[in-house]
Amino acid sequence: AQKVTQAQTEISVVEKEDVTLDCVYETRDTTYYLFWYKQPPSGELVFLIRRNSFDEQNEISGRYSWNFQKSTSSFNFTITASQVVDSAVYFCALSRYSGNTPLVFGKGTRLSVIA
Amino acid sequence: DAGVIQSPRHEVTEMGQEVTLRCKPISGHDYLFWYRQTMMRGLELLIYFNNNVPIDDSGMPEDRFSAKMPNASFSTLKIQPSEPRDSAVYFCASRTARGLEQFFGPGTRLTVL
Repeated sequence: AQKVTQAQTEISVVEKEDVTLDCVYETRDTTYYLFWYKQPPSGELVFLIRRNSFDEQNEISGRYSWNFQKSTSSFNFTITASQVVDSAVYFCALSRYSGNTPLVFGKGTRLSVIA
Repeated sequence: DAGVIQSPRHEVTEMGQEVTLRCKPISGHDYLFWYRQTMMRGLELLIYFNNNVPIDDSGMPEDRFSAKMPNASFSTLKIQPSEPRDSAVYFCASRTARGLEQFFGPGTRLTVL
């Protein structure tokens, strides 16, 4: 069975601080995909990134970066110089490589960035 | 291109009433998913379709819930009779057969009094 754990339920930081959101996953598959989604206060779920399990290169997109470590089954998300607009619930998700299965989501981490 | 469209955005009903939630997936998407989000349980997959055929409905909580996809551009999730514990935000999402990212609609916030 697949499982995603986001141990941090809520995080609060002051604007301009860096923050890392943790994601640990469980799967018996050797190949799989990992995702991050953002849910801002308006409620919609916005896709942020997808990584496959055989590409362990870290990825950076502006102030966002993702650290994938297969050895520890983690796919952590760091926001550098956080801004108030980053306040949202962030979800980590996992899918089988075949793709013909739904995503398995973690419970989410609520990030509050205080001005 | 329009994203996933859901209606209504908000629904308030009384216990025992029938509720129908609607979803129009992105054109060309082969998969459609229904999720429910609550504070206690997070995002739960209820059912998903591939080419209008239900593939897995094991997440549907009980017989009061039913979902249909009569064609590639429309799906409904029906609750009959509704109960207060059904209060949640219901999301519809879609994706292509080859793509992996799911694109979510804005959700329907359901309140059952």
